[in-house]
Amino acid sequence: AQSVAQPEDQVNVAEGNPLTVKCTYSVSGNPYLFWYVQYPNRGLQFLLKYITGDNLVKGSYGFEAEFNKSQTSFHLKKPSALVSDSALYFCAVRPPETGGFKTIFGAGTRLFVKA
Amino acid sequence: ETGVTQTPRHLVMGMTNKKSLKCEQHLGHNAMYWYKQSAKKPLELMFVYSLEERVENNSVPSRFSPECPNSSHLFLHLHTLQPEDSALYLCASSQGPGGAGAAEQYFGPGTRLTVT
Repeated sequence: AQSVAQPEDQVNVAEGNPLTVKCTYSVSGNPYLFWYVQYPNRGLQFLLKYITGDNLVKGSYGFEAEFNKSQTSFHLKKPSALVSDSALYFCAVRPPETGGFKTIFGAGTRLFVKA
Repeated sequence: ETGVTQTPRHLVMGMTNKKSLKCEQHLGHNAMYWYKQSAKKPLELMFVYSLEERVENNSVPSRFSPECPNSSHLFLHLHTLQPEDSALYLCASSQGPGGAGAAEQYFGPGTRLTVT
């Protein structure tokens, strides 16, 4: 079955330190990969995506993600965390053969950045 | 934030009630989605409409009935719901079809539904 795993329910990091939020997937073919963020009482906001090309993708608010095909991973990173980065982060995968509409989401990772 | 709007933001309904959730997108997209978000679970895709035609229906109980009268509006009609249907219901839109796979989705703020 196709799935997306975010192995950590929660990640804690001190402000100014680098952060990593992990994502691995089990999807056949070459899927499109996305990261979204959700702040309290808000919908999900798009951060970045990998379609093809360079394995390091840069997105909004200083976030970047690294695609690793052999490990089927797409980890989200930021060199220096801010308190305002505290939120719920979702990894999402879109298999190319589904016609472009079906997206599989992970369960989410809550990021706490401590001042 | 105002690209996709949802009303109402909060809804409490009894199991015998009928209500509707409304979504409107102002982004010129032609694909719209309904998702269910429950605590500590992945988002569940419920329905997808592309060019006002339903293209995805993920085994959702018939007590949920979608309607897409045009590419800007999406409704979710609710009747005889169960307490386990309590969740945050999110609407999203994206550009599509044609390259739809690579298009990111834009989400509304959601409707927090409580079934009593």
